[in-house]
Amino acid sequence: KAGVTQTPRYLIKTRGQQVTLSCSPISGHRSVSWYQQTPGQGLQFLFEYFSETQRNKGNFPGRFSGRQFSNSRSEMNVSTLELGDSALYLCASSLGLAGRSGELFFGEGSRLTVL
Amino acid sequence: AQSVTQLDSQVPVFEEAPVELRCNYSSSVSVYLFWYVQYPNQGLQLLLKYLSGSTLVESINGFEAEFNKSQTSFHLRKPSVHISDTAEYFCAVSSGTYKYIFGTGTRLKVLA
Repeated sequence: KAGVTQTPRYLIKTRGQQVTLSCSPISGHRSVSWYQQTPGQGLQFLFEYFSETQRNKGNFPGRFSGRQFSNSRSEMNVSTLELGDSALYLCASSLGLAGRSGELFFGEGSRLTVL
Repeated sequence: AQSVTQLDSQVPVFEEAPVELRCNYSSSVSVYLFWYVQYPNQGLQLLLKYLSGSTLVESINGFEAEFNKSQTSFHLRKPSVHISDTAEYFCAVSSGTYKYIFGTGTRLKVLA
């Protein structure tokens, strides 16, 4: 059974650009959660999608958005990139809503560097 | 609302020594508790979890954690660490419709 796949693994952008990250969950998983990981802040919750609907949202500005498709694959987008957006973006999938599930399955992350 | 606190950002320990990584949580409802481990350049993977039942849970590689409801803690312990245990460890809490919340992580550095 394939694990959670995130693409791209590494990318470099400049300030003001936008970026789209992709996450393919484990087959059969309906929930996808996104996290931002930085050395100073640890894991910060961005949002969770379940059955194509955003179910939970963290405290990030509107520049951060996401969506989920009917096959449960998810994308997140960051517009007008800032230097502080440099981070490892992690995607995690679960069978049901993350809060009710026993385990999250993580991808290896997309490392974004903003210059 | 829920929160998770990992007081120790870094824990250095010599090989074969015991270690305890501390985790405290706050929640107004019953919770599920988890420890995840992250090795360099990888995503997180589940180490162990408490959902219900026995308050002492164990992992396959010798770690254990005990759910203490009165102290709202879920500390992670290992009686003898190996170099390969060097990683970052995250405590997490979830509950029903609430978000899955992670602590800020503890970097375990095992020294030869």
